Amino acid sequence: DTEVTQTPKHLVMGMTNKKSLKCEQHMGHRAMYWYKQKAKKPPELMFVYSYEKLSINESVPSRFSPECPNSSLLNLHLHALQPEDSALYLCASSQEGIMNTEAFFGQGTRLTVV
Amino acid sequence: LAKTTQPISMDSYEGQEVNITCSHNNIATNDYITWYQQFPSQGPRFIIQGYKTKVTNEVASLFIPADRKSSTLSLPRVSLSDTAVYYCLVGPTGGGNKLTFGTGTQLKVEL
Repeated sequence: DTEVTQTPKHLVMGMTNKKSLKCEQHMGHRAMYWYKQKAKKPPELMFVYSYEKLSINESVPSRFSPECPNSSLLNLHLHALQPEDSALYLCASSQEGIMNTEAFFGQGTRLTVV
Repeated sequence: LAKTTQPISMDSYEGQEVNITCSHNNIATNDYITWYQQFPSQGPRFIIQGYKTKVTNEVASLFIPADRKSSTLSLPRVSLSDTAVYYCLVGPTGGGNKLTFGTGTQLKVEL
């Protein structure tokens, strides 16, 4: 199983809503990532988890709150988002401790903030 | 992290070989070069990775000259389904490190 599964595929939320994006992998990867991708732009790194601990936060606003409840799951909690946060949110995973390895990406969640 | 420079876009026809070059003048000794492919509204997909000389797999070849300041992704006999954005990455690509994407090259394949 070399899949990273993200749910939901699409999400529309209001600026006062609270929602969560979910990511799951069963490859035994202990490094997991959240990316944000705007249209016609490259993916931008948001967070990196290593062994279920947050290791990198790319100065992401606090309205985005990541969580890694176990080695297979990664969540991104959303609260009080702005319309400019509308984007494709991508989750990825890779082996930890190996500097040059393949990262596997999910299909993404298309988020629209209204 | 080494900065990369790629052409913004390229056009080709089915059955042609496509070569996409990436410049990375400040590549570090330990850096690998990795290429990803991305279709619209999908996550990037790993294509190939190399350190020096030539690497080949079932979908592509990667050519890296001795000075490693550039690399070329070669796609043999492209088809319409190869229309995608191709990203060149230089640096650590896993292990909980930053995986940083450059601007990418939009390849358009026509009949």
